[in-house]
Amino acid sequence: DTGVSQDPRHKITKRGQNVTFRCDPISEHNRLYWYRQTLGQGPEFLTYFQNEAQLEKSRLLSDRFSAERPKGSFSTLEIQRTEQGDSAMYLCASSLAAGRTEAFFGQGTRLTVV
Amino acid sequence: KQEVTQIPAALSVPEGENLVLNCSFTDSAIYNLQWFRQDPGKGLTSLLLIQSSQREQTSGRLNASLDKSSGRSTLYIAASQPGDSATYLCAVTPPQRRANSKLTFGKGITLSVRP
Repeated sequence: DTGVSQDPRHKITKRGQNVTFRCDPISEHNRLYWYRQTLGQGPEFLTYFQNEAQLEKSRLLSDRFSAERPKGSFSTLEIQRTEQGDSAMYLCASSLAAGRTEAFFGQGTRLTVV
Repeated sequence: KQEVTQIPAALSVPEGENLVLNCSFTDSAIYNLQWFRQDPGKGLTSLLLIQSSQREQTSGRLNASLDKSSGRSTLYIAASQPGDSATYLCAVTPPQRRANSKLTFGKGITLSVRP
């Protein structure tokens, strides 16, 4: 499968715990994005990387959130001290940086904080 | 700030009907517009990408048009089938001169095609 892969697909955690999600982009894509989607809403931008550099972070990304993309390959999104309001679908997408910048999404990680 | 609107939020049609889904955006300075399909609890599947220099794109029974000056796009679905039932989202990216291609999404239109 050469698409965007996310792991895990589902995560249930207790409030206050830390969670980490992984995203493997399409191999030749140098841009990687994280979005968050809540029920009935469109996805909202969280952050993006070009290669290993994190170039933009949304105001939605509080200091409890951190994202990395070591070596410009896979990326991780960590949420520390989870809150019930963090419950959402976390989506990863990748694209080329120039030309046909079509974004391809993974299947998402559904986070439930109880 | 770019805002994307999709109205209505939900649509129910009988099988076989041709239908049009609308998308509007407030800032006409976009690089491209992309239509996605999302099944319940799943990720997004890219349907069509229209670059700002293009007027329309076609893929099978789908045709998407773009009118940048009026800030509108439409997704036309011909001969709808029950398998087309899903949520359809449109999203735009800022001009290429900006540093990123982050997408700004509408809330989507949930389509139900009745057998």
